[in-house]
This record gives sequence, structure tokens and C-alpha cells, in this order.
Amino acid sequence: NAGVMQNPRHLVRRRGQEARLRCSPMKGHSHVYWYRQLPEEGLKFMVYLQKENIIDESGMPKERFSAEFPKEGPSILRIQQVVRGDSAAYFCASSPSRTVGVSYNEQFFGPGTRLTVL
Amino acid sequence: AQTVTQSQPEMSVQEAETVTLSCTYDTSENNYYLFWYKQPPSRQMILVIRQEAYKQQNATENRFSVNFQKAAKSFSLKISDSQLGDTAMYFCAFMTAYSGAGSYQLTFGKGTKLSVIP
Repeated sequence: NAGVMQNPRHLVRRRGQEARLRCSPMKGHSHVYWYRQLPEEGLKFMVYLQKENIIDESGMPKERFSAEFPKEGPSILRIQQVVRGDSAAYFCASSPSRTVGVSYNEQFFGPGTRLTVL
Repeated sequence: AQTVTQSQPEMSVQEAETVTLSCTYDTSENNYYLFWYKQPPSRQMILVIRQEAYKQQNATENRFSVNFQKAAKSFSLKISDSQLGDTAMYFCAFMTAYSGAGSYQLTFGKGTKLSVIP
């Protein structure tokens, strides 16, 4: 059973370009979460998606950032017109649907995409 | 909002010795989960151990154990018989146990860099 997959692992963009980060959840998982890790910091929540729905994007910057999780295919985190401050590691996690009576679903993390903006 | 504080940016331990990493948190909730994640140089986030706040017994996983002090809002990780493969960043994290908005968000500390010395 393959784990959470993210690609690319490393992405280099020049200022003003677009960055697309992909995340394929574990088999059977329908919930996806994106986190950002700035240098010397812990991970910070960005957005939570289920298939075709954004559930919570309260951690996402209001401009230039968007996320989707289509019915078919991976979840995409898109950053338009990147700036140097976007340089970070972006992690995706997935979890199965919440089981009735169980309040916790473990989030399984992918290896991350390290974005460098020149 | 919850906060997680790790006051030790870096620590080192001799191989086969025991080391304790500190974590404190702030929350007004009574029911929640606490976690320790390991991030080795590969940057993959790996769940080390989990503690439910309503359980008084401290969680253990092989060489890893926690000291959970709910009243003090303290959650330290003890690694016994340290091995070279334990060298990594260690992140303490919090998640509420209540369903509803934000219940799936992990809140991370800034991490402690642990080096195991041969």
C-alpha cells in the first residue's frame, strides 16, 4: 500500500512564475491537508479538502494561493506569481473518512515538496 | 487558539543514553490529542507517539515514552537507548478532539533538533 505521494520533490521557480504541487493521497483516503514549513519553523496548516470540496482554507494566504482536489486525480496546490517568501517545504497529508464515534483520524504525511524561488 | 512551544532548539545525546525533549502547550479545551513527530534529514514526517488527553496513563512505543502532565500542560518525550537513526528534528503537535471547525488541524511547535553522537 503506497503512502502519500508528492511531486515534484524539488521545484525551482523564478519570481513571477507559477508553481504547481501535486499530492496523491493514500489509497482509500478521501481527506487531504496541506501544510507549509518555512525555514526553522514547524508546519503550519493551510487548507483541508475532501473530494471536490474545500472544507477549510483558513490557513491559506488570501492571494495567489489556491487548492483543489478533483474527483479524479491528485490534489493540486497552486501558487501564482511566486515571490521569494514562498520558498518553503510544502507537505501534504491524507486521512480516511472520519469513523462514527471516533474523533481522531491519523494524518499520514507525504515526503514534501521543497519550493525554491529565485 | 492553541499554541505549542518547544524551548530547546537543539539537543545532543550520546548513543545508548537517554534524552528528554520538552514541550508545553496552551489550550482552553479539555479533550485533545498530543503528538510527537520525527522529521529525519529525508524530511518525511513520521508519527512517533500519540497521547489522548483523557487518558492518565502515559503512552509508550518501544524506546519512546511521554510524560504527560495535563495540569501543567506539559508533554515531554523520552528516548531511551538512543540510536544514530534517532537523529532528526522532533516536533510536538496538538489537535483538538472536538468535531467541528478546525478539529483536523495539527498545530506544531518549532521543533527540536536532536543529534545522537556515536
